[in-house]
Amino acid sequence: DTAVSQTPKYLVTQMGNDKSIKCEQNLGHDTMYWYKQDSKKFLKIMFSYNNKELIINETVPNRFSPKSPDKAHLNLHINSLELGDSAVYFCASSPSGQEETQYFGPGTRLLVL
Amino acid sequence: QQQVKQSPQSLIVQKGGISIINCAYENTAFDYFPWYQQFPGKGPALLIAIRPDVSEKKEGRFTISFNKSAKQFSLHIMDSQPGDSATYFCAASMQSNYQLIWGAGTKLIIKP
Repeated sequence: DTAVSQTPKYLVTQMGNDKSIKCEQNLGHDTMYWYKQDSKKFLKIMFSYNNKELIINETVPNRFSPKSPDKAHLNLHINSLELGDSAVYFCASSPSGQEETQYFGPGTRLLVL
Repeated sequence: QQQVKQSPQSLIVQKGGISIINCAYENTAFDYFPWYQQFPGKGPALLIAIRPDVSEKKEGRFTISFNKSAKQFSLHIMDSQPGDSATYFCAASMQSNYQLIWGAGTKLIIKP
């Protein structure tokens, strides 16, 4: 009965590799987000989709590409991984994206060696 | 003008004491101010939120105080418990925008 789920939970990989993180929500929400949390706990919005349409695309290297196959899924693909990509990536969702509670997944801990 | 400034960065409080975390903003168009709580290894979760039409909102031991003229809001945790040890984030958003603007977070440690 998990509301927002992410896979994998941990990801250890070499520099230069390509990896994907998957996110699914079963809350029926219209809006989904990807956040990056660095070692200092700062939360940075990366992308947001509303009904499969990209609505927020912050200044993020174009090695990061989100894909929303349907309203319940938002995946994150990262090409040519760099050391600085090491962080915790959180997926979140909200009912319609306006001032409403965001529900976060458990996070994916990415370590690039 | 889109920033939300949060302080302190870290806070240690004795069990039973009052924990106070402060946030300040510049954009007067912000009209929704939530606080999120994050435990180690978990995602943030909404703790309590306020809109600027009230100056205070209380839920159990947690209270938000809001000062519209000063453009500041704060989280007070009464009778702080070790289980309250977590990172707390303030945030702000406006009705026309999908985006929450986040503070930098405060790591709170409650000493037994």
